[in-house]
Amino acid sequence: DAGVIQSPRHEVTEMGQEVTLRCKPISGHNSLFWYRQTMMRGLELLIYFNNNVPIDDSGMPEDRFSAKMPNASFSTLKIQPSEPRDSAVYFCASSPSGSYPNFSTDTQYFGPGTRLTVL
Amino acid sequence: DQQVKQNSPSLSVQEGRISILNCDYTNSMFDYFLWYKKYPAEGPTFLISISSIKDKNEDGRFTVFLNKSAKHLSLHIVPSQPGDSAVYFCAGSYSGTYKYIFGTGTRLKVLA
Repeated sequence: DAGVIQSPRHEVTEMGQEVTLRCKPISGHNSLFWYRQTMMRGLELLIYFNNNVPIDDSGMPEDRFSAKMPNASFSTLKIQPSEPRDSAVYFCASSPSGSYPNFSTDTQYFGPGTRLTVL
Repeated sequence: DQQVKQNSPSLSVQEGRISILNCDYTNSMFDYFLWYKKYPAEGPTFLISISSIKDKNEDGRFTVFLNKSAKHLSLHIVPSQPGDSAVYFCAGSYSGTYKYIFGTGTRLKVLA
């Protein structure tokens, strides 16, 4: 398996622009996670999907952030409008965890990340 | 509120010696802990885990120790190798949840 695939790997944009990050989870995994990594806060969970349904978006910092999972093989994280403080590395991860709320803490497999720079 | 704390941002160790990475947590509900390793320009990869019913778990050169009374865990790497140079993240979780709560990471440099 190719693992979790993220695109683009690097994104440089100007403040106020819309940014869309993409993720393809591992086939057969039914849980998907979006994380943000910063020096100050480490890896923070932004949103969690189970069977394509958003279960917990309490980590989404503001209304400028939105995420979708239209099918089992694709998810997007959108920032509109982007701000310099959004600059970070964004990771997508997937796991084979069972269906909410009856699942175990299965290992999460991370993609290579998207490094976002907002000027 | 940082529920998982890695107070040492970086650590340097000579090749062949022991590396000890530390992690403290505040959430008493955590019953499962993990360590992930991250190389530059790559995503974190799972390294080792431990359930709260154990106080030690070993996998080759890697051993994780858990001290529940102190809310502290540590990762020991023996012997350390240059290829172990990476950022190590500690995470806590609890039964019936999908959430991993990660620390800020410790950058380990193993000197040849």
